[in-house]
Amino acid sequence: TQLLEQSPQFLSIQEGENLTVYCNSSSVFSSLQWYRQEPGEGPVLLVTVVTGGEVKKLKRLTFQFGDARKDSSLHITAAQPGDTGLYLCAVRPIYNQGGKLIFGQGTELSVKP
Amino acid sequence: DAGVTQSPTHLIKTRGQQVTLRCSPKSGHDTVSWYQQALGQGPQFIFQYYEEEERQRGNFPDRFSGHQFPNYSSELNVNALLLGDSALYLCASSFEQNNSPLHFGNGTRLTVT
Repeated sequence: TQLLEQSPQFLSIQEGENLTVYCNSSSVFSSLQWYRQEPGEGPVLLVTVVTGGEVKKLKRLTFQFGDARKDSSLHITAAQPGDTGLYLCAVRPIYNQGGKLIFGQGTELSVKP
Repeated sequence: DAGVTQSPTHLIKTRGQQVTLRCSPKSGHDTVSWYQQALGQGPQFIFQYYEEEERQRGNFPDRFSGHQFPNYSSELNVNALLLGDSALYLCASSFEQNNSPLHFGNGTRLTVT
């Protein structure tokens, strides 16, 4: 059983479209992170959300942490081919004392020109 | 300022063999974590090293072992390779303090035949 469930698993859209991907859990977390991983590279941290209901924006990307801190969403406006990649959400266990992150299985996004 | 570097980038081994993967952390980082990423999945935590000791371990068998050197670089060793060990192995470095962001390398692609 996955602690973090991401949906959809795959998404293929045309350039200029909007999209939302989701990261859901039945557990409560103190914070949640979103990463993007391009082919042949390691994950790169996009944002960390901490407060329930928090909204953060990174250019055309909008991240929201659920009020109950159990889920999060990533919305991309006017997607571009450069947005193509694997989007991963990740959390640290409450007891964590270091670098252990638990990742979702990811959403594979393909933006076609 | 060099980021996290991993070597080799690709490796092909035969079932039953042993393999050693290497990681140099980002300058100034003292903690190294290793992750296994199977195709189409999110990364899974293997273990973390700090002050040359294994500080935390994920759900991986004893065939997976590691080492951290005084210069903070690290090795991941896998013995008695199985076909299922084929994956992308990611190294991430950070500061020891809790919730310090992880910086990932581009990984080593291991194929076991």
